[in-house]
Formats: sequence, C-alpha cells, structure tokens
Amino acid sequence: NAGVTQTPKFQVLKTGQSMTLQCAQDMNHNSMYWYRQDPGMGLRLIYYSASEGTTDKGEVPNGYNVSRLNKREFSLRLESAAPSQTSVYFCATTKGGGETQYFGPGTRLLVL
Amino acid sequence: SQQGEEDPQALSIQEGENATMNCSYKTSINNLQWYRQNSGRGLVHLILIRSNEREKHSGRLRVTLDTSKKSSSLLITASRAADTASYFCATDEYGNKLVFGAGTILRVKS
Repeated sequence: NAGVTQTPKFQVLKTGQSMTLQCAQDMNHNSMYWYRQDPGMGLRLIYYSASEGTTDKGEVPNGYNVSRLNKREFSLRLESAAPSQTSVYFCATTKGGGETQYFGPGTRLLVL
Repeated sequence: SQQGEEDPQALSIQEGENATMNCSYKTSINNLQWYRQNSGRGLVHLILIRSNEREKHSGRLRVTLDTSKKSSSLLITASRAADTASYFCATDEYGNKLVFGAGTILRVKS
C-alpha cells in the first residue's frame, strides 16, 4: 500500500499561471486535508474534506480551490499563482475527526 | 491561528541525552498529538494522548498532558542522531481539524 501519494513533487510556476496538485490515498479514510508549510512555521490548513462530497475552508483558503473527486482523491487548484503561494504543500488523511493524520511526501511549489 | 505553541524553538543536545519539548494550547481539546518531520519530508505521527490521560509512553517517548495548565510535554530519552528532526504538537481544536504549532527543531550531535 502506498498510503498517501502526491504529485508533482516539485513545480515552478510563473505568476498568474494555474496548476492542480493531486493527492490520492489508499487507506480508505474519510477525511482529507491540504496544508501549506512555510519556512520556520508549522502547518496551516488550506481546505479539508470531512467525507466524500463535502469540502470546507481552513485557515488560509484564499487563492485556492479544491475538489474531492472520490473517496481516494482530493485535489488542490491554484487558479492564478502568486509569489506568496510559494510553499511546501502537504496532503493528509485520517479516518475521521481529530484522530491521527497520515501525510503525503509534499509538493514543493515555487512561484516566480 | 495556531493553537499549539512549542517551546523551545530549537534544541541542541549530545547523543545519549534526554530531550524535552513543551507545547501549550488555548482551548479545550479531545486529544493532543505529537508529530516528527525530517527535513524535507512529510510529518510522521508519534503519539496521541487523550484529554482523560495524563501520561503515555511509546518506546523512548514519554508524553504528558496537563489539561488544567493546557500544556503537554514530549520527552525523548537516550537521544540518537536519527532523532534530529522538527517536532510538532497538534490539537483537535475544531473536531474535524487539527491545529499545529510552529514546532521545535531538535538537533542531536554525535
């Protein structure tokens, strides 16, 4: 089992470009999350999906959209990238609630 | 906003010594978790302690929770160079979500 996978591992964008970060889990978990981590900081929640078919905003949702495609997949889209979105993005999953989260390896995004 | 605040921000010790990190939080919680992050990698879950527990052990890890003081500590005994990493506490502030602190950077020198 792969656990939580993220693609791509690394991406460079120009300001104004768009892209979608992909996340997939094979743990049969209900809840999925997208975080961003900036240097010297902890994780900040962008969006989450408590179950298939639902999504909710986290602490820093501006500039992002998400899609819970099915139980396995949760994607994060940047419609018009800005340098402030340069960060490392992590996807995580949990069977529910505030229980243990399992993280993907991250996507490093650089916006020029 | 960040619920958990870790202290110290950075810690440097010799191999074999114990490392203690602290976490404080603001609101009522159901559980508190500790995670480790090796440089450039995703977070790995270490231990979860529920609000009705005061202490929990896992191998060389010991976690305490004091809900009256809204604080927790993570003790790593007999540290190894491989323990070098960032350590984060996280609380289930809003039920479905975890709120992470800024982390403690631990360096274990061999």
